[in-house]
Amino acid sequence: GAVVSQHPSWVICKSGTSVKIECRSLDFQATTMFWYRQFPKQSLMLMATSNEGSKATYEQGVEKDKFLINHASLTLSTLTVTSAHPEDSSFYICSAQDREPYEQYFGPGTRLTVT
Amino acid sequence: GQNIDQPTEMTATEGAIVQINCTYQTSGFNGLFWYQQHAGEAPTFLSYNVLDGLEEKGRFSSFLSRSKGYSYLLLKELQMKDSASYLCAVRDSNYQLIWGAGTKLIIKP
Repeated sequence: GAVVSQHPSWVICKSGTSVKIECRSLDFQATTMFWYRQFPKQSLMLMATSNEGSKATYEQGVEKDKFLINHASLTLSTLTVTSAHPEDSSFYICSAQDREPYEQYFGPGTRLTVT
Repeated sequence: GQNIDQPTEMTATEGAIVQINCTYQTSGFNGLFWYQQHAGEAPTFLSYNVLDGLEEKGRFSSFLSRSKGYSYLLLKELQMKDSASYLCAVRDSNYQLIWGAGTKLIIKP
């Protein structure tokens, strides 16, 4: 099956700093990538949908100026958490969608802890 | 609105069979997915149904009835490693995945 990688797998940062998370589709081209956030014992929450070469579409309640998404190529999307606060601590998961049959493949996730 | 319903938690015994139900109401339908998610890990794909009927894959089977907006995931010969959350997701007319809240399955020896 298709492989999606995320980097870093975990990160600890201080409040007020910014953190960048990379999501790569390793063996296919992903026209669309999705960013999810998951708090402990809760289900996945879609944050935004990112299409290559265009602006991301953010879900209601997600601040686009705080969570910057760049989908610069068909194999790479990045999520930057700007001015991170402890409440941003969460598990961030990306998925990449293949052209056909539009299957979503998940990355392993990035655990962010803001101190 | 769009809605996916599945039980919050279920408990079953090792070696037994368990059925996890999922009902959905979405704008359009382009397939239903089941994912398994262990604590602290990303979801992994289990099954995909787009036509009515049963899809069997080893110990796991998934059933779909589009007219009833209903699916179930059947797990046979339960093992302790099957303890996880099981997520039902429906792909709508825009090819967006609409996620259920997940069912936490607890396996007891």
